[in-house]
Amino acid sequence: ETGVTQTPRHLVMGMTNKKSLKCEQHLGHNAMYWYKQSAKKPLELMFVYNFKEQTENNSVPSRFSPECPNSSHLFLHLHTLQPEDSALYLCASSQESPEQFFGPGTRLTVL
Amino acid sequence: KNQVEQSPQSLIILEGKNCTLQCNYTVSPFSNLRWYKQDTGRGPVSLTIMTFSENTKSNGRYTATLDADTKQSSLHITASQLSDSASYICVLEGDGNKLVFGAGTILRVKS
Repeated sequence: ETGVTQTPRHLVMGMTNKKSLKCEQHLGHNAMYWYKQSAKKPLELMFVYNFKEQTENNSVPSRFSPECPNSSHLFLHLHTLQPEDSALYLCASSQESPEQFFGPGTRLTVL
Repeated sequence: KNQVEQSPQSLIILEGKNCTLQCNYTVSPFSNLRWYKQDTGRGPVSLTIMTFSENTKSNGRYTATLDADTKQSSLHITASQLSDSASYICVLEGDGNKLVFGAGTILRVKS
């Protein structure tokens, strides 16, 4: 295990639902990331947090809302999603080195 | 535009055989190039990290090479095992510590 956990591992939701993805890192890192991984496409960086402050938002639609209450926890709040938002959502963390440690991901299906 | 292209898109080999995965990039400048292994249903795990000045880096049966002149990297897997079946992702860290991901090569090792 990489020291980064994500829950739930699988999520099916309707377009009118509101749900949240959770990420927790046990590595003492100060940076956390949300990525979207769609089939046969490169990982897309969504959000970056450094010391709980959002430092990057890659033009992500407002139906995705991140929250970082402390440097160990990261949430992604979802509402009124579209079917094209179905993907694997990966959380990662890092410290000083360039290496990022990824969680196992949440497989999201939007009906 | 910074891009990372990987080939082949997918590959099937027999257990015990060697294989080489390719990564061509246009990212410039870059500080390091990484290869990740991603098992089905899991997050990516780092295999090798090379700085722009390194030519080769090994991790057990995995050997990564980097040719900065031709802007190519390869990942060579020796004596493949069934557990090598996974997606292999090439990633470059460019300006501003931004990561540029390839779409990955899906490797299947069969007995």
